Amino acid sequence: KQEVTQIPAALSVPEGENLVLNCSFTDSAIYNLQWFRQDPGKGLTSLLLIQSSQREQTSGRLNASLDKSSGRSTLYIAASQPGDSATYLCAVETSGSRLTFGEGTQLTVNP
Amino acid sequence: KAGVTQTPRYLIKTRGQQVTLSCSPISGHRSVSWYQQTPGQGLQFLFEYFSETQRNKGNFPGRFSGRQFSNSRSEMNVSTLELGDSALYLCASSLVPGANSPLHFGNGTRLTVT
Repeated sequence: KQEVTQIPAALSVPEGENLVLNCSFTDSAIYNLQWFRQDPGKGLTSLLLIQSSQREQTSGRLNASLDKSSGRSTLYIAASQPGDSATYLCAVETSGSRLTFGEGTQLTVNP
Repeated sequence: KAGVTQTPRYLIKTRGQQVTLSCSPISGHRSVSWYQQTPGQGLQFLFEYFSETQRNKGNFPGRFSGRQFSNSRSEMNVSTLELGDSALYLCASSLVPGANSPLHFGNGTRLTVT
């Protein structure tokens, strides 16, 4: 059974800091890994999708890496801003559109 | 292009009642999946539909069911509601299943069972 773990559970940083969120998964037989952002009371917004054959994806200040063999992914956020405050969720797709999610990292960026 | 639309946004029901939630996917998306989000269990997969057929089902009791219509809109139904069914129910759509394309989520339906 696939299990996804995210560390840390919560993170508070000053504005402008670079930060790394971690995600690990137990079964390396994945189609892809996705990072999402969730604002309070809202749905999920897809940030980056890394296919199983890829090593990393970048979008603006975000960079996500994938090491499938070791079951790890990181989300790097450069020059953090207060607007980045949200819960960040990592999910792996193992069949069809079935995602297994981690518990999330709650990020607070202080002005 | 309109995003994934879920209705209603909020629902309050009593134990033992049943409820139907609706999801309209992004235009052109034919795959719809449903997730339950609770503080204790996090996000859990309920089921996935494609071309009006259920392709995948999560580990939930038979009280949870769904369907998809020919226009790709989907509904999920929960019968004999229990207090533990209180959750945010999220619907997501994609072009087709397994296409390595990101899922697009709606803002969810917040169900409270009293």
